[in-house]
Order: sequence, then structure tokens, then C-alpha cells
Amino acid sequence: DAGVIQSPRHEVTEMGQEVTLRCKPISGHDYLFWYRQTMMRGLELLIYFNNNVPIDDSGMPEDRFSAKMPNASFSTLKIQPSEPRDSAVYFCASTKTGPIGSPLHFGNGTRLTVT
Amino acid sequence: AQKITQTQPGMFVQEKEAVTLDCTYDTSDPSYGLFWYKQPSSGEMIFLIYQGSYDQQNATEGRYSLNFQKARKSANLVISASQLGDSAMYFCAMREGGYQKVTFGTGTKLQVIP
Repeated sequence: DAGVIQSPRHEVTEMGQEVTLRCKPISGHDYLFWYRQTMMRGLELLIYFNNNVPIDDSGMPEDRFSAKMPNASFSTLKIQPSEPRDSAVYFCASTKTGPIGSPLHFGNGTRLTVT
Repeated sequence: AQKITQTQPGMFVQEKEAVTLDCTYDTSDPSYGLFWYKQPSSGEMIFLIYQGSYDQQNATEGRYSLNFQKARKSANLVISASQLGDSAMYFCAMREGGYQKVTFGTGTKLQVIP
């Protein structure tokens, strides 16, 4: 069974450019999460979806960030325009509705560097 | 207020020894779940163990056990017989009842010394 798939694994871009990160959740999972990991702030929840609908985007840092989930098997996180402070590892995770103990399954992350 | 607190930024342990990683949490919800994840240097997040607030016994998974003290709001991870491959960041996390979002602590970096 394939896990959560993220692409690209690494992204290097210049300040001001648009960046799109992609995620394919595990088939059958109805929740999808985007986290950002930095040394300073640790793992922050940016946004999460249930059945393709955004439920909580209170963690999205500012309007430069947007996320979509057009269908159950695909989500994107877009940063436009990117800034050096956006450099971080971005994780996508999925889980399915169930007991409170259902763990999050993480992708391998996208390491973003904005120069 | 921090919902998950990990007070040990880094720890060392001798190979084959046991080590305890601390985690305290804050919630007023009677229903919640606590998780531990491992993040090796390669970067992936690996689920290790889960403890529910209503569970009567401490969770165990192989060499991992969770020392759950509900009254003290602590959920410490115990790794027995440490191995070199246990060197990693370890994150404690919590899900509160009725919500799917999971909040993470700042992590503890464990280094196992040969």
C-alpha cells in the first residue's frame, strides 16, 4: 500500500517566484494536513481538509499561502510570491475518520529553500 | 499556552541502556489521544506509539512504552535497550476529542552513544 507521496523532494527557488508543493494522500483517507517544520517554530499545522473541504486554515501564515484539494487524491500548497523566510520542510499527512487513536501518516516532506 | 511541552531539547544515552523522553500536555477535554513520532536524520516522520485518555494500561510497542500519568498530564516515552538506530528527533503530539488536528511538541533530539 503506497504511503503519502509528496513532490518535489527538494525545491530551490528565488525570492518572488511562485512555488507549488504537491501531495497525494493514502487512498481511502479522508483527512489531509499540511505542516511546516522549521528549527525556530517546530512543526506547525498550516491547514487541513476533510473530504476535500478546508476545515481549518488558521495556521496559514499569510495571504501568500494558499492550499487546494480538488479531489480525494491530490492537494497542493502554493506560495506566491515566495520569501526567504518561507524556507522550511513542508510535510503532508493523511488519516481517515476513525478512533481518536488513528495516527497521521506523513509523506517524506518537501525541503524548500528560497534564496 | 503550549498544549504539548517537551523540556529536553537533547539527550544522550548509552547503547543498551533505557531512556525516558518527557512530555507534558495541557487540555481540558476528557477525551484525547497522545502520540509519539520519531524523525531520523533522513527526515521522515514515523509513528511509534499511541495512548488514549481512557486507556487503563500504559501502551507498549516492542521496545517502546508510554508512561502515562493522567493526573500529572504527562506521557513520557520509554525506550528500552537503546540501539544506535534510535538516534533521532522524537516528537510528542496530541489530538483532542472531536477534532482531527494534531498538535506537536518541539521535540527531543536523542543521541545513542556506542
